[in-house]
Amino acid sequence: TQLLEQSPQFLSIQEGENLTVYCNSSSVFSSLQWYRQEPGEGPVLLVTVVTGGEVKKLKRLTFQFGDARKDSSLHITAAQPGDTGLYLCAGDSSGSARQLTFGSGTQLTVLP
Amino acid sequence: EAQVTQNPRYLITVTGKKLTVTCSQNMNHEYMSWYRQDPGLGLRQIYYSMNVEVTDKGDVPEGYKVSRKEKRNFPLILESPSPNQTSLYFCASSFYRGTEAFFGQGTRLTVV
Repeated sequence: TQLLEQSPQFLSIQEGENLTVYCNSSSVFSSLQWYRQEPGEGPVLLVTVVTGGEVKKLKRLTFQFGDARKDSSLHITAAQPGDTGLYLCAGDSSGSARQLTFGSGTQLTVLP
Repeated sequence: EAQVTQNPRYLITVTGKKLTVTCSQNMNHEYMSWYRQDPGLGLRQIYYSMNVEVTDKGDVPEGYKVSRKEKRNFPLILESPSPNQTSLYFCASSFYRGTEAFFGQGTRLTVV
């Protein structure tokens, strides 16, 4: 089973601070997805990165896929309380019929 | 509205009493899957289905059954629930494996 390790597991910061969440694996993925999950809801897709070295921006969120397609990072600039949630990375391996391998998640709390 | 609908949202049951969690999607997706979410473990795939009448085991299939008689429905069956199956369960669907996964709102199951 392919593993995706996310760090940190918990992060509590003040509004306006920057932060980075990491998603690492020893396996190569054909693509990597980032989801955000709010309490009482299912995860919702934020972005998919496909090409090694790819950088995608979604307002204050910047996503990067590692050159070797084994790792990814999520950087949030000037975090806001509305960014609070569980962030999950999920890797897709084209060699497997299984849908996605999920990381264990980063619980982010942004304090006003 | 495009959605994945799970029922029930909450369920408390006793050990050994068979139960079914229903899942239905209205997006004509080929791929459907079931996950369980436990603290610190992220989302782990239980079963998946690539199309009608095609199902296969995920990472943690023991104690669960599924069926895919119709494209839109993918019920999860626990024939003899045990306390270690207490968890938060999510159904997800996508056009094909590896593409964006749309999640239901979750079913919180407690087995006493």
